[in-house]
Amino acid sequence: ETGVTQTPRHLVMGMTNKKSLKCEQHLGHNAMYWYKQSAKKPLELMFVYSLEERVENNSVPSRFSPECPNSSHLFLHLHTLQPEDSALYLCASSQDWREIAKNIQYFGAGTRLSVL
Amino acid sequence: GNSVTQMEGPVTLSEEAFLTINCTYTATGYPSLFWYVQYPGEGLQLLLKATKADDKGSNKGFEATYRKETTSFHLEKGSVQVSDSAVYFCALDDSGGGADGLTFGKGTHLIIQP
Repeated sequence: ETGVTQTPRHLVMGMTNKKSLKCEQHLGHNAMYWYKQSAKKPLELMFVYSLEERVENNSVPSRFSPECPNSSHLFLHLHTLQPEDSALYLCASSQDWREIAKNIQYFGAGTRLSVL
Repeated sequence: GNSVTQMEGPVTLSEEAFLTINCTYTATGYPSLFWYVQYPGEGLQLLLKATKADDKGSNKGFEATYRKETTSFHLEKGSVQVSDSAVYFCALDDSGGGADGLTFGKGTHLIIQP
């Protein structure tokens, strides 16, 4: 148990659906992250939030929309996805988004997303 | 740009065998280096790290030494157990305080047979 909980664990959606992924951290951290893990590819950082403010947007398509209502919760809203968006989506948190070597990221178990 | 290259998997070993998983990197500055482990059905966990050249990170019997001259950070363990079966990711941070995050390798799937 890492202190970072993601729901749902598995999600199957059609290309026209709207769904949301949820992440909650119980570690008192100030920074939260969304990563995409695709088969045979390195993890891709999607979004970084610090104290509910977005710090970085790594050119992610607009069909992915993050929301951070408070420092403990992070959502990823999904709309009109493509089959190539099927992947494991990982949430992480850390005390601070800077100085990664000092502020270790703790990961959730991920949501396995399949887009049909 | 930054990149991390890991050996292709899966790597299959017998219990008590010696393990080496190779990792080399390309970075513009002086990165910190990490190994993360992902057990089946779980998220990534930090295994060990090294922040400067010649540093050795160690944890749970695993070791890796930051070799600047060869730009490498190979993961080693003297005697593996079935419970070490997982996917191992090498990563670097060269953000210099920015929000680029970690750069990960593709991961190496390790299978330990009893």
